[in-house]
Parts: sequence; structure tokens; C-alpha cells
Amino acid sequence: GENVEQHPSTLSVQEGDSAVIKCTYSDSASNYFPWYKQELGKRPQLIIDIRSNVGEKKDQRIAVTLNKTAKHFSLHITETQPEDSAVYFCAASILGYKLSFGAGTTVTVRA
Amino acid sequence: GAVVSQHPSRVICKSGTSVKIECRSLDFQATTMFWYRQFPKQSLMLMATSNEGSKATYEQGVEKDKFLINHASLTLSTLTVTSAHPEDSSFYICSAGGGPTNEKLFFGSGTQLSVL
Repeated sequence: GENVEQHPSTLSVQEGDSAVIKCTYSDSASNYFPWYKQELGKRPQLIIDIRSNVGEKKDQRIAVTLNKTAKHFSLHITETQPEDSAVYFCAASILGYKLSFGAGTTVTVRA
Repeated sequence: GAVVSQHPSRVICKSGTSVKIECRSLDFQATTMFWYRQFPKQSLMLMATSNEGSKATYEQGVEKDKFLINHASLTLSTLTVTSAHPEDSSFYICSAGGGPTNEKLFFGSGTQLSVL
């Protein structure tokens, strides 16, 4: 099955700086890569996703890049704010099938 | 986005009792729902895939007789933890597929189960 690895496990950044989280996947058939943000005790919220026919996608301060050849994808958060503090999960799947999640990255934005 | 409702949000029960968790898609029909389990500070682990009108597909290592899943309609899936024990204490969360090819997962609010 699909194996998704995520790094780093924790990330502390100064407010206003950028944060980058990286993930790799093992199944070359995977073609859908979402990112979720989860606050303590709450449900994961989809923040951005990308399909394998696209190399990069941006939504305001959030961007995701995908390198299919290397089988890795990354989340970039620019101009971080305290409300960006949360656990972020990457995931991979074949469209319409089950998601495999990374282990998560705890992001702390220091004011 | 699509709304997935999950109840109850928190359950405290005695060891040996059974607990039922409901997951509803409120504004769309979900032919497939997924049940996840999440331990503190860990990732979401898929337990089973629930398909409307058919038997659930369980992931390796998940006991189907202990975690009973029913998906009787296009908007409702239930997870019953039978004869719960303290080691079953966890955050259980359902999700339903949406989007053009059902690839986008929308999560319920989760159920924190504590077994005494």
C-alpha cells in the first residue's frame, strides 16, 4: 500500500517567516495530494490540494508543489501568523480511493 | 464545502459496554465513508471503508467483530465499538468523499471515546 512520510515532525517559526513541510510517497499511482490542518481536539480541515497533472498550486499564503518524478510534495506557508499554529497532515491517494496520511507536523508560530 | 456531522462528540463508558458513533453527510450523498482512529499526537489511521449497502472493508489489524460498521443509507454510517476496553480509548473520526470524483474528504467533528 501507499506509504507517506512527512518531515519535520515539529516546526517553530517566527511570525512573518515562512514554513515548509515536506512529504514523500511510495506509490507512483497516487495522483491526489491534499493537505489538512488540525487544531487540538478538532476535525482536520482541508486547506489545499493538488492533482498529479499540476506542479504547483497557490491559494493566498499557502502553496503546494509536487514533483512526480521524485515522488515528493511540499506545503509552503508564507507570512506566518499565530493562527497558523496547528498540526498539518499531508496525504496521498488514487482519486476516489482511500487516503494515506503522513505522521503530521506540529507548527508553532512565535509572536 | 460539504458538511459531515458526527455524534456524539464525547463518550465516557465502562469497560465491557458498547458504544455507537453516528456519521451523517448533511448536504450530499456519500456512497463511501471512511472511519479513522487517532491517538494523541499521532496521525489518522484508517480503520475501515464503509460502502452504502455492502459490507465494510477493514484495514489489516482491525477486528471487524469488534468495530461494527453499518452504512444503511447514502447519508448515514455508524461505527459500534463492541465490548469496549480501555485500550479502545481514542479519537474516532469519520469522513465522507465529495468533489467531482469523491477525492476530497470532509471530516466529521470526531468522537473522543474514554473507556474506564
